[in-house]
Amino acid sequence: NAGVTQTPKFQVLKTGQSMTLQCAQDMNHEYMSWYRQDPGMGLRLIHYSVGAGITDQGEVPNGYNVSRSTTEDFPLRLLSAAPSQTSVYFCASSEGGRWTEAFFGQGTRLTVV
Amino acid sequence: AQSVAQPEDQVNVAEGNPLTVKCTYSVSGNPYLFWYVQYPNRGLQFLLKYITGDNLVKGSYGFEAEFNKSQTSFHLKKPSALVSDSALYFCAVREADSSYKLIFGSGTRLLVRP
Repeated sequence: NAGVTQTPKFQVLKTGQSMTLQCAQDMNHEYMSWYRQDPGMGLRLIHYSVGAGITDQGEVPNGYNVSRSTTEDFPLRLLSAAPSQTSVYFCASSEGGRWTEAFFGQGTRLTVV
Repeated sequence: AQSVAQPEDQVNVAEGNPLTVKCTYSVSGNPYLFWYVQYPNRGLQFLLKYITGDNLVKGSYGFEAEFNKSQTSFHLKKPSALVSDSALYFCAVREADSSYKLIFGSGTRLLVRP
């Protein structure tokens, strides 16, 4: 059982480049989300989706784009990378409902130079 | 909007001693609270959650958490700490609206010394 799979694990980008962080889950979870983790700031929500075809913004959405064409996949696109987007990115999924715990991927460490 | 506060950046404890990692919350309506642990270079792992019922919730790896509605707290506890418990711990709360957003605290680093 793979759970939540993120690729790549590490990435270095130049300022202005674009890229897509991939996230896939095999648990048929309705809810998926992207977080970024920065020292001393915990995890901040970037975008989330409550089902295929439905996405919405979280706390820090600027500079990122998402889509959810299938239940399994929830890619995160960086439109024009900036050094401020240097961070560790985590994808998570959960069943619908407030009582359900989230399952996290292993993370993508992104450096923008 | 819901929020979570973890007032301690780091907690130091000797192996074998009890540990407490503090968390306070602010929610509208009934709280749905979670604790996660993150080991170095890993994703977050679920430890335990409070939904309703008993105020003492038991979870993985011998951890438990005490829910206190009057103090709006959900502190993580373990009777006897292990060096292997050293990690980053996050408290989280689900939004009360239909977004089901999971909001995290800033994290507390637990260091258990031999």
